[in-house]
This record gives sequence, structure tokens and C-alpha cells, in this order.
Amino acid sequence: DADVTQTPRNRITKTGKRIMLECSQTKGHDRMYWYRQDPGLGLRLIYYSFDVKDINKGEISDGYSVSRQAQAKFSLSLESAIPNQTALYFCATSDSRGRDEKLFFGSGTQLSVL
Amino acid sequence: GDSVTQMEGPVTLSEEAFLTINCTYTATGYPSLFWYVQYPGEGLQLLLKATKADDKGSNKGFEATYRKETTSFHLEKGSVQVSDSAVYFCALSNTGGFKTIFGAGTRLFVKA
Repeated sequence: DADVTQTPRNRITKTGKRIMLECSQTKGHDRMYWYRQDPGLGLRLIYYSFDVKDINKGEISDGYSVSRQAQAKFSLSLESAIPNQTALYFCATSDSRGRDEKLFFGSGTQLSVL
Repeated sequence: GDSVTQMEGPVTLSEEAFLTINCTYTATGYPSLFWYVQYPGEGLQLLLKATKADDKGSNKGFEATYRKETTSFHLEKGSVQVSDSAVYFCALSNTGGFKTIFGAGTRLFVKA
């Protein structure tokens, strides 16, 4: 089983709909992140969380919200989806206790907003 | 702010050719540098890293040396295989690891 699991893998939705992407991890890491990947732009950070009570905006948080329901779960919501939010979304984790800056990624969610 | 610039792709090579993917960075202080690889349909995974100047990261035949004087971290492999076809991302982390900044990615195609 994957250490970082994202659901769904693919989603097609319409403009104005609310959508939630979910991420769960079995690695026991305290830090979790949401990135989006766009062709030619690499990965850009949307939100990150150091623990359940700590949520921080990344560089492109407008139009998104997150919830850290437990140490192992971090969900991303699009309150009212728009076409330019069509992208590949990745959840990632890291462990601050080991002083290792390595990120572990899920397999991604391909979101299309029509 | 901090940034990473890497060569545009796609890069197309024949099997057993030499690979170089250029990466330069702008950062204050002393960042850690990384190469991540993304195989088709998968998430990114760490390929190698270097945490201080002159360090060489290596894994699976890939190498990159942290050059502070040229602010570079170029990825090299002496003989590529078809299975190396993927997208490669250069990245840096400069703030205790909570904010990793990625380059745009370079797609590599290796032909048999």
C-alpha cells in the first residue's frame, strides 16, 4: 500500500462546484503539503501544515482552503471551482523530527474544471 | 526571493548517451539542493540531494555536485537507459525544510 494516498485519482467537475481532494498518510510524518503542478511552471505550494493546529498559506492559496483533520489526514477544498484550477494536485509529507528535508509524494489527483 | 531555473525540455537521447540537465538557483544563505524524478503516472520521488557546498549527491548512476560559486546543481548520468525516461525537477529548501521550491521540470525521453 502507498504511504501517501490521494483520492480521487481523477476528477472532472464544472465551474462553480465545490470539490474536495483528500490525502492520507501512514508514514507518521508531522508535516503535510498541497502542491499543484502546471506544465512549464513546476510545482507551486498551495498550503502547508506543521501539525494539526498549524495551517499556513503557500504562494497560491487564493481560491483554496484546507483542513487537517488528524495528523494523518489533510484535505484540500476548492470552494467554487474555476477552469484555471485545472491542474495536477499533489499531497506531500515530511518529517521534521529527523531533520530530513525530503518530501514524500502521493500519486496525484488530476482535476479538470469545465 | 528564492528561485530555481532549469533547462527547458524535452531532452531526447539515445540509450547509453550522456545526460546533463542544467540547474541554477538563487537563494540567501545555504540551501539544501535536490533532484526529484517523476515517472509517468506517479508522484515525485527524491533522486538525490546535497546539503552543503561541494557535496556530491548520487543515486542510480545519477550525480550532481553542489557548486556554490556558480550557484548550480547540474544533474548528470554517464549512460542513460529507456527506463530513465521521466520528468526531472531541481529543487531547493532554505528554511528548515518546510518550503521546498521547485524548478519547472525537464522532460527526458530516451530512445532504444
